[in-house]
Amino acid sequence: GAGVSQTPSNKVTEKGKYVELRCDPISGHTALYWYRQSLGQGPEFLIYFQGTGAADDSGLPNDRFFAVRPEGSVSTLKIQRTERGDSAVYLCASSSGQGDGYTFGSGTRLTVV
Amino acid sequence: GENVEQHPSTLSVQEGDSAVIKCTYSDSASNYFPWYKQELGKGPQLIIDIRSNVGEKKDQRIAVTLNKTAKHFSLHITETQPEDSAVYFCAAPSRSGGSQGNLIFGKGTKLSVKP
Repeated sequence: GAGVSQTPSNKVTEKGKYVELRCDPISGHTALYWYRQSLGQGPEFLIYFQGTGAADDSGLPNDRFFAVRPEGSVSTLKIQRTERGDSAVYLCASSSGQGDGYTFGSGTRLTVV
Repeated sequence: GENVEQHPSTLSVQEGDSAVIKCTYSDSASNYFPWYKQELGKGPQLIIDIRSNVGEKKDQRIAVTLNKTAKHFSLHITETQPEDSAVYFCAAPSRSGGSQGNLIFGKGTKLSVKP
């Protein structure tokens, strides 16, 4: 596609529920990143995929967070047993791997009530 | 690991004036420094980047300068316009390896351009 697409744009869930956030990167981009952005802060790294494999998952805050990219394109960020502190905007970005920097999607605003 | 500090947190200028935002980094091996602009409700958009083999890069009204010795880099916007109003973020690689690993972002500068 023309840009990075994230769905849903907004998600409200109850504490303790499971959520999935989807990212469609730019076609052909091999690298895919997930970031989390809290109000008034810069994006905070969660996980980075190169192709199908997680090249760096050091930013995942705990084992409730998991992400997959089974075919090397679409990625899903999964959060189990959501907590109110998980409320944030979850950003996805992709890059071609040719040194051209990231392209971000518009994010999914997650609210845990 | 890398640490990125960004100043100021807010900046207000009159239309037509220049705006300068500064960032410092801690890892002397870092070699890629992008700047992003984020408008309300949107994701960050890459506006300019610089690699450590050059000291300055310019694109129309936007320029970035890099001082490797002092480990700081700055964004310069000239002839500011109301549509430049946004939050600007600097970033640096979390470890040496250039532009394709994960980035550490500054906390952002909210720029307001008053007509």
